[in-house]
Amino acid sequence: NAGVMQNPRHLVRRRGQEARLRCSPMKGHSHVYWYRQLPEEGLKFMVYLQKENIIDESGMPKERFSAEFPKEGPSILRIQQVVRGDSAAYFCASSPTGYEKLFFGSGTQLSVL
Amino acid sequence: GESVGLHLPTLSVQEGDNSIINCAYSNSASDYFIWYKQESGKGPQFIIDIRSNMDKRQGQRVTVLLNKTVKHLSLQIAATQPGDSAVYFCAENGGSQGNLIFGKGTKLSVKP
Repeated sequence: NAGVMQNPRHLVRRRGQEARLRCSPMKGHSHVYWYRQLPEEGLKFMVYLQKENIIDESGMPKERFSAEFPKEGPSILRIQQVVRGDSAAYFCASSPTGYEKLFFGSGTQLSVL
Repeated sequence: GESVGLHLPTLSVQEGDNSIINCAYSNSASDYFIWYKQESGKGPQFIIDIRSNMDKRQGQRVTVLLNKTVKHLSLQIAATQPGDSAVYFCAENGGSQGNLIFGKGTKLSVKP
């Protein structure tokens, strides 16, 4: 049973470009979470999704950021018009129940030049 | 601000000794707590969790203690090994479903 798969592992973008981060949850998991981590910091919650629904997006910036988890395919975190402050590690996690233990992927390191 | 914090940002221990990593939380509504281990360049890895109706839970070489009176959580690692070197995060659920709130982490270094 494969774990949470994230790609790409590293993503380099220039200011103003778009970044798309993908996450395939563990098999059988329908709850997906996105977190952001800055160096030497903890993980900051961004958004919680179930299939085709956003459950909680309280941690996501109102502008430029969006997330989806379609009926088919991976969850996508999209950042439009990236700025240098968006540089961070973005982690996806999944859960079978939407409560308690989350299983994390290896993350996508976004670097904005 | 953060509702979960750690007393010590770094901890250095000798191989074979026991390690204790502490964590304070402030959200009284939290009823679920969890410890993760994160190695450099990797995602957080589950270690152990505990519900608020318990005050102690043991795993393999690890024990989590919960003191709800003072809102304190600790992770004890027995016979610490070099492979235990990592950053350890505590997290709480804030009483809500699924949204784990993380502390800043404690870096554990094990000296051979």
